[in-house]
Amino acid sequence: AQKVTQAQTEISVVEKEDVTLDCVYETRDTTYYLFWYKQPPSGELVFLIRRNSFDEQNEISGRYSWNFQKSTSSFNFTITASQVVDSAVYFCALSERQETSGSRLTFGEGTQLTVNP
Amino acid sequence: DAGVIQSPRHEVTEMGQEVTLRCKPISGHDYLFWYRQTMMRGLELLIYFNNNVPIDDSGMPEDRFSAKMPNASFSTLKIQPSEPRDSAVYFCASRKTGNQPQHFGDGTRLSIL
Repeated sequence: AQKVTQAQTEISVVEKEDVTLDCVYETRDTTYYLFWYKQPPSGELVFLIRRNSFDEQNEISGRYSWNFQKSTSSFNFTITASQVVDSAVYFCALSERQETSGSRLTFGEGTQLTVNP
Repeated sequence: DAGVIQSPRHEVTEMGQEVTLRCKPISGHDYLFWYRQTMMRGLELLIYFNNNVPIDDSGMPEDRFSAKMPNASFSTLKIQPSEPRDSAVYFCASRKTGNQPQHFGDGTRLSIL
């Protein structure tokens, strides 16, 4: 069975601080996909990134960066120079590449990030 | 391009009434998913379809819940009879084949009184 753990329930920072959201996953599959989604106060779920298990290269997109480490089963998300608009709940999710199971997404519990001015 | 469209955005109804939630997936997507989000249980997958066929409904809480996908551009999630514990935000998502990311609708906030 697959599992995603986001140990940080809530994080509060001051604007312009860097913040890292942790994600640890469990899976027995050797091929899998990891995702991050953002849920702002308005409630929608916004896709941020997908990473497959064979690509351990870190990724940077503007102020966002992701650190994937298979050795520790972690897929952490860092926001540099945080802004108030980054305030949201962030979900990490895992999908195993098993077409028989339809590659269902398993979500972590989410981390509520609050960026204060 | 239009995203996943859900309706209604909000629904308030009394216990025992039938509730129907609607979803229009992104054109060309062949997977459709229904999720429920609550404070207690987080995001739970209820059911998903591939090419309009239900593949896994193991997350459907009980027989009061049913979902259909009569064609590639429309799906419904029905609760009959509704109960207060069904109050939640219900999301629909769709994606293409190949472990492409799921794209979510804005959700339906359901309140059963």
